[in-house]
Amino acid sequence: AQSVTQPDIHITVSEGASLELRCNYSYGATPYLFWYVQSPGQGLQLLLKYFSGDTLVQGIKGFEAEFKRSQSSFNLRKPSVHWSDAAEYFCAASGGSYIPTFGRGTSLIVHP
Amino acid sequence: DAGVIQSPRHEVTEMGQEVTLRCKPISGHDYLFWYRQTMMRGLELLIYFNNNVPIDDSGMPEDRFSAKMPNASFSTLKIQPSEPRDSAVYFCASSSFGGGSYEQYFGPGTRLTVT
Repeated sequence: AQSVTQPDIHITVSEGASLELRCNYSYGATPYLFWYVQSPGQGLQLLLKYFSGDTLVQGIKGFEAEFKRSQSSFNLRKPSVHWSDAAEYFCAASGGSYIPTFGRGTSLIVHP
Repeated sequence: DAGVIQSPRHEVTEMGQEVTLRCKPISGHDYLFWYRQTMMRGLELLIYFNNNVPIDDSGMPEDRFSAKMPNASFSTLKIQPSEPRDSAVYFCASSSFGGGSYEQYFGPGTRLTVT
């Protein structure tokens, strides 16, 4: 069955520190991959996406993600976290039907 | 475009009452999705439409839930009768999977509380 796993429920970092959020997928072929962010009281907003080509993709708000086929991973990174980055982050994948499967989400807490 | 619009933003109702949630997708999008988000179960896909036709409603929890899309610019999710366990945030999202765009655009959600 198709699945997306975000192994970390919560991540706590200090403002200015680097960040990496993990995402692993299980699909028959390389899926389309996405990271979304959800700020409190709001809907999900797309940060970045990967379809093919360069395995390092850049997104909004200074985020990037790297696709690693050998590890079935699509980890999200940011070199320096800001307090405003505190939010819930969702990894998602979709295949031929384009209907995405979402991970459970990782809650990012930023300490001043 | 104003994005996906949902109403109401908050709904508080008593058990047994009918609840109707509304969604206006982004103009030109041909897919519409209804999700439910809870702490316990995360983000669940309830149903999705393509060109106003329901394609997969396997995520609808039970017969108390129904969804309609009478035209390309409007959809409703109805719960009748409502129960306390239906308390959650309900999101509507729309997409257009043509032209190389495969992401979803989410509305702000409706926070439903059933007492």
